[in-house]
Amino acid sequence: KNEVEQSPQNLTAQEGEFITINCSYSVGISALHWLQQHPGGGIVSLFMLSSGKKKHGRLIATINIQEKHSSLHITASHPRDSAVYICAVLTQGGSEKLVFGKGTKLTVNP
Amino acid sequence: EPEVTQTPSHQVTQMGQEVILRCVPISNHLYFYWYRQILGQKVEFLVSFYNNEISEKSEIFDDQFSVERPDGSNFTLKIRSTKLEDSAMYFCASSRDSANTGELFFGEGSRLTVL
Repeated sequence: KNEVEQSPQNLTAQEGEFITINCSYSVGISALHWLQQHPGGGIVSLFMLSSGKKKHGRLIATINIQEKHSSLHITASHPRDSAVYICAVLTQGGSEKLVFGKGTKLTVNP
Repeated sequence: EPEVTQTPSHQVTQMGQEVILRCVPISNHLYFYWYRQILGQKVEFLVSFYNNEISEKSEIFDDQFSVERPDGSNFTLKIRSTKLEDSAMYFCASSRDSANTGELFFGEGSRLTVL
């Protein structure tokens, strides 16, 4: 069983729609990262969360430590948001070993 | 804007050959990482490096692999005797603080193809 599960695996949306990507994990964590992997393969960090909620532009990330769950929301989605969104966690105890989910492939159509 | 740079972007090698992948992290960063992603699979942690030594490594990071910070700017991953299954995209990342507390900055990746 994967320590980090993402849903959905694939998501297709129309431009302007509100998007939610979910991440559940089975271990105690110290931090959770949301990453974006471009079609060309490059990876960009979106958020690092240990509690609560963060917002950057049209992106919002939330985490519920008790429920071991995080969500990434995209408001007013745009075709340029098309990418793979990856959730990754660091287990408790100061580990530097990021454990990655399989990613959610988002396609936003114009 | 500062960025992490990786070279080469693509390397093709014969099985059994040694490969060195190079990374230039962001200059004031203290934590360095290598990850790999086999085609179609999820990203996997290889190793973390801090204060001129390995701080943590995964079970993938066996004796075939080594990392080095030979000068103040480069961070290299050496694969001693490549195998077919080493074919993957290798990502370098750096962080000013630990990944537990700060943002990670990734390079564009080095694609390794072992024939």
